[in-house]
Parts: sequence; C-alpha cells; structure tokens
Amino acid sequence: AQSVTQLGSHVSVSEGALVLLRCNYSSSVPPYLFWYVQYPNQGLQLLLKYTTGATLVKGINGFEAEFKKSETSFHLTKPSAHMSDAAEYFCAVSDPNNDMRFGAGTRLTVKP
Amino acid sequence: GAGVSQTPSNKVTEKGKYVELRCDPISGHTALYWYRQSLGQGPEFLIYFQGTGAADDSGLPNDRFFAVRPEGSVSTLKIQRTERGDSAVYLCASSMSSGSSYNEQFFGPGTRLTVL
Repeated sequence: AQSVTQLGSHVSVSEGALVLLRCNYSSSVPPYLFWYVQYPNQGLQLLLKYTTGATLVKGINGFEAEFKKSETSFHLTKPSAHMSDAAEYFCAVSDPNNDMRFGAGTRLTVKP
Repeated sequence: GAGVSQTPSNKVTEKGKYVELRCDPISGHTALYWYRQSLGQGPEFLIYFQGTGAADDSGLPNDRFFAVRPEGSVSTLKIQRTERGDSAVYLCASSMSSGSSYNEQFFGPGTRLTVL
C-alpha cells in the first residue's frame, strides 16, 4: 500500500519569497505523484502530476515539483509567492490502478 | 462538458438517522471513487468502483457505510445510524478507467455532511 507524509501542517512565507512544501511518499510500486490545491470552500484542483518521464514537472500558477526516487520525495516549489497562492495543498500518491492516497495537507499563508 | 456533480451540497441530519449521498460522474468514466475529508485533514479513501463492482472497499470505516453503483454510472454512498464523527465533506471523483496506465481523477465539489 502507498502513503504520503507532508512535513509541516502550516507554512508561512512573505509575498515574493520562495515557496517550498515538502512531501515524502512510500510505495511498493513505481508511484504516480500529485499535488492538489484547495481554496476555502472549494473543491480539489490538480496543480501538477508525475507519472512517467521527466522528473521535474511544471504545473499551473508557476508551481513545479521534482520526483526524487532516491529520496522518495516530491517537494512542491514556486520561486515567488503571490497572495493568491494562500490555500491548502495536498500531496497524493497513486499506484497504476489509480488507487490514490492523500497526505494530511499543508496550509500555506502568504504575508504581505 | 459537465464535471462530476454531487448532491446534496449540504446535508444536516440527526444522530442515528440514515443518509444517502449521490455522485454523478463525468459521462463515459468507468472508474468512480469516494473519499471523506474531515476538518483539517486530507481526503481519506473510502471505496472505488470499476464499472458496477467495488474494486476496493478497504477504506470504508465500518459496516454502517455502504456504496452502490448499479448501472456503472451514478453512485450512492449510504450511511446508516449516523454518528457525530461521520461529519465531514464527502468527495467523489471519476476517471476514464483504472488499470495499468494513468487516468486523471476529476473531483466533484463534495457534500458537506453535518450530524447533530
């Protein structure tokens, strides 16, 4: 079975600063990895995904993540935070049967 | 085209009552998933269907929870003898299929269940 650990339930950055949200996974098979964003009272929106191929994946809103098999990590980054990035972010891992498991989430706060 | 829809958007019930939550997947999607998201938590897997059959129901917390998908399209999550701890947002997602290749899950807006 697969699982995800998100380090840090809350992350606070200043506007314009680097965003780094950490995610480590456990999987007995080659994983598919995802980052979702959830704005208050809204549904889950896919930010980016890794399935196969290039390990550095780019998503919407300037976010990117790198799959590092040796570190079992899939950290999410954005070079410069914007106020509109404030939201809850979820890392998820799936097996090839699309059986998906989510992390507990990281709440990102962006200070002006 | 239409996305995944869930009804009702909000449901308030009393402890001990029975509730049904409905999910309409994207047309043509053969795989359907139910998740539960408690306050401050990530979505927790409950069950997924491939067609009409439950391919994995290992996430259902106990026998008060049951889900059906009789015609391979609409699914209903049924909760008997509701408890206050069942209060959460119940999310549904669908995908083209499950199998040996990736198929994106598309999420509905959720049903917020409150058990008083």
